[in-house]
Amino acid sequence: QQQVRQSPQSLTVWEGETAILNCSYEDSTFDYFPWYWQFPRESPALLIAIRPVSNKKEDGRFTIFFNKREKKLSLHITDSQPGDSATYFCAASPMLSGSFNKLTFGAGTRLAVCP
Amino acid sequence: EAAVTQSPRSKVAVTGGKVTLSCHQTNNHDYMYWYRQDTGHGLRLIHYSYVADSTEKGDIPDGYKASRPSQENFSLILELASLSQTAVYFCASSDRTGDQDTQYFGPGTRLLVL
Repeated sequence: QQQVRQSPQSLTVWEGETAILNCSYEDSTFDYFPWYWQFPRESPALLIAIRPVSNKKEDGRFTIFFNKREKKLSLHITDSQPGDSATYFCAASPMLSGSFNKLTFGAGTRLAVCP
Repeated sequence: EAAVTQSPRSKVAVTGGKVTLSCHQTNNHDYMYWYRQDTGHGLRLIHYSYVADSTEKGDIPDGYKASRPSQENFSLILELASLSQTAVYFCASSDRTGDQDTQYFGPGTRLLVL
């Protein structure tokens, strides 16, 4: 059972456009949602993360929008650049104080930004 | 920035053979993890550890053992390698700062089982 789902599987946008990557989850105890990105032949790295105390988290051109009621979130990449071409993983975990936080990863969205 | 290294970086193993993947981190992190990555499946947690000499099962532990002899080192052991264990394996360690829990990944080990 896939607890974290991502769509689309792959996405192609032109340079300068806004890319929108979607994520949904099932476990209502999840309250920490990081996005990791992975460039070809490299390891994943944390890009941006959100906790549901707010509905939006911004970091430069990257913004997470969060809808707790619908258990959905999305990553918006504005003014997309060819260097943003990577696979993006949505992940989720409960954020328990002093406890292990097991991340559940989605299958990823492969983004290609064409110049 | 966290430094996580893995060895070997790639390996070819025979079915039924024993494989040991090693991971070393230098940033004094308590938590360490082993994931496998297959096309279309993202990252799946095999084993993890939050203290030396103790390991815990993740989501897909069958066919794998883990060992954490020290805070810095975490190994993944395939006692009887099988074709289905061909994958890229990532080790990670994590550092929880405030409300953020960042996992730092090693470069990965490409394992091919023939």
